[in-house]
Amino acid sequence: NAGVTQTPKFQVLKTGQSMTLQCAQDMNHNSMYWYRQDPGMGLRLIYYSASEGTTDKGEVPNGYNVSRLNKREFSLRLESAAPSQTSVYFCASSIYRDSEAFFGQGTRLTVV
Amino acid sequence: QKEVEQDPGPLSVPEGAIVSLNCTYSNSAFQYFMWYRQYSRKGPELLMYTYSSGNKEDGRFTAQVDKSSKYISLFIRDSQPSDSATYLCAMSTDSWGKFQFGAGTQVVVTP
Repeated sequence: NAGVTQTPKFQVLKTGQSMTLQCAQDMNHNSMYWYRQDPGMGLRLIYYSASEGTTDKGEVPNGYNVSRLNKREFSLRLESAAPSQTSVYFCASSIYRDSEAFFGQGTRLTVV
Repeated sequence: QKEVEQDPGPLSVPEGAIVSLNCTYSNSAFQYFMWYRQYSRKGPELLMYTYSSGNKEDGRFTAQVDKSSKYISLFIRDSQPSDSATYLCAMSTDSWGKFQFGAGTQVVVTP
């Protein structure tokens, strides 16, 4: 049982480059989330999708876009990467929007 | 001011001691409270999940919620070196599923 799978695990980008972080869950969960984790800041919500076909902004959405491709997959896109987006990105999913979330292993992104 | 406050530590305890962790929050609408454990360079994993006030016990772990004081706690009994990790509290309201996380407390259990 894979749970929540994120790709890639590591990535280095140059300022201005674009990339998409992929996330897939095999638990038949309805809700999916993207967080970023920075030292001393904890986890901050970027975007979430309460159910297939819907997406909403979280606490720090600027510079990001998301796509809920289907029930299993939720991608995060950086259109023009900036050094401030250097962080560890976590995807999570939950059965419903207010139930416990299960996390992937993270993507370590460095923007130079 | 952050909605959820958590002492970053590190909190160092000897093996076998009780670990006591806590978070305070400002939003009285929070109804769901969670504790996650995160090992270095890994994703958070859910330890405890509670709704509203009260206590919940699971093995060596006990979670307490005091909504009147806006304060939640996690106790780890008979701590082991394998409990060395960062512990994150998280909470959400019942109207939207956006979890608000604390910054995490680093715990070190020494043999």
